[in-house]
Amino acid sequence: DGGITQSPKYLFRKEGQNVTLSCEQNLNHDAMYWYRQDPGQGLRLIYYSQIVNDFQKGDIAEGYSVSREKKESFPLTVTSAQKNPTAFYLCASSRSSGGPYTGELFFGEGSRLTVL
Amino acid sequence: AQSVTQLDSQVPVFEEAPVELRCNYSSSVSVYLFWYVQYPNQGLQLLLKYLSGSTLVKSINGFEAEFNKSQTSFHLRKPSVHISDTAEYFCAVSDAPTGGGNKLTFGTGTQLKVEL
Repeated sequence: DGGITQSPKYLFRKEGQNVTLSCEQNLNHDAMYWYRQDPGQGLRLIYYSQIVNDFQKGDIAEGYSVSREKKESFPLTVTSAQKNPTAFYLCASSRSSGGPYTGELFFGEGSRLTVL
Repeated sequence: AQSVTQLDSQVPVFEEAPVELRCNYSSSVSVYLFWYVQYPNQGLQLLLKYLSGSTLVKSINGFEAEFNKSQTSFHLRKPSVHISDTAEYFCAVSDAPTGGGNKLTFGTGTQLKVEL
C-alpha cells in the first residue's frame, strides 16, 4: 500500500544527544514536510522540501536539521540545540506537480520523542 | 501572513446530538480551507476541503462545512454524532500554491468528545 512510514514510533533521548527521525514515502510525491505537535498548540511547520536537494525553513526551524537526498526520504535531526524537544513529530507529503491542485497533505503516523 | 483560530479547545456532546466546531481564518488572498481529523497517537487524515465552487462541502461520514467569505469562517458541522467521531479536529488554511508544495497553516485543534 502507498503511504508514509515514520520510524521510530517512540524514542527516548538524553539531554545533549542528537536524534534522527526517519520519514519515507512511496506516493511519488515531490513535496515533503515536518510538523511538530504540542498539546494546545496545533501543528507547527519545522522544515519543508519541494524537490530533491532543496529545503526551506518553516516557522520553528531552530534546533532542527533536514536533508533531502532522495525523493522518497526526508529525515529530521533533532539537535542538542533544540531546547524543548519533547513532542509528537509528524511527517507529511503532497503532490506538487502533474495534475490539478488538490491541496491535500498525506501524513505518517508520527514519532513521539521524549527527552529524559 | 495566514492564521487560523479554533476558539473551542474541547467540545463535549452526547451521542446523536448535533455538533458545530468553529474555525475562523485570516488571509489577504484567496484561500483553500481544510478540516483534518486525528485519532489518538495517529497522524492526521483529510476530512473535507474547500478549493473552489460550491461553498458547502461534505465528507463521506456525514460531516459538512461551509465556506463563508464575508465572515472568514469554515465551521464544521454534523447533525448527529457517533461515539466513533471522538477525535481531535484541525482546521487549516493554504493560499495559492507557489511553485509546488502545499504549506498549510493549522489551528490549535478542537477535541470532540462524544459521550453516551
